[in-house]
Amino acid sequence: DTEVTQTPKHLVMGMTNKKSLKCEQHMGHRAMYWYKQKAKKPPELMFVYSYEKLSINESVPSRFSPECPNSSLLNLHLHALQPEDSALYLCASSQGTVLAESSYEQYFGPGTRLTVT
Amino acid sequence: DQQVKQNSPSLSVQEGRISILNCDYTNSMFDYFLWYKKYPAEGPTFLISISSIKDKNEDGRFTVFLNKSAKHLSLHIVPSQPGDSAVYFCAASAMRAGGTSYGKLTFGQGTILTVHP
Repeated sequence: DTEVTQTPKHLVMGMTNKKSLKCEQHMGHRAMYWYKQKAKKPPELMFVYSYEKLSINESVPSRFSPECPNSSLLNLHLHALQPEDSALYLCASSQGTVLAESSYEQYFGPGTRLTVT
Repeated sequence: DQQVKQNSPSLSVQEGRISILNCDYTNSMFDYFLWYKKYPAEGPTFLISISSIKDKNEDGRFTVFLNKSAKHLSLHIVPSQPGDSAVYFCAASAMRAGGTSYGKLTFGQGTILTVHP
């Protein structure tokens, strides 16, 4: 099973709203990632969690707040977003347990299409 | 500065023929390379990868070639099938330089492959 699930599939929110994106994997992976993808662009890394600790924050604005409640779950809390934050938000996971090639194979979820009005 | 480049935005191929997708990189610290396929409204799907200690890796219809001196890699799909029509992303990671078991992937801009019946 190489499935990463994300909810919701679509989300429309106003600039004053607070919402959360959820991601789940049951592959026993210990590294989880949030990416942002704009139309016709490649995915851009936002955050990396390793063993439930934040390891990389790619200078993401504080209106995006990640959380890793346990090794299977990853959340992205959204608050006071701007219209330019509208994008496809992708979650991914990788083995992340040993320094080996397979650790670097990231498996992506289907994404949440976010529209900020 | 784009460290991973896919210079062909699109490629059109006849069913049964070979598809060759190209990728160039500039960062000499990259030592692990991956190819992903993406259908509209879905997350990227991992296809195949290659470490810098190899020059070829094969998996079924997919073969990835790496030319380290030219900082170039290519993905060959033989024979091409209409279901292969998708956006293909090349990605790179600096595994040994990072020294961690999780990787930061840098993606190219993607190439849209269309396979005609």
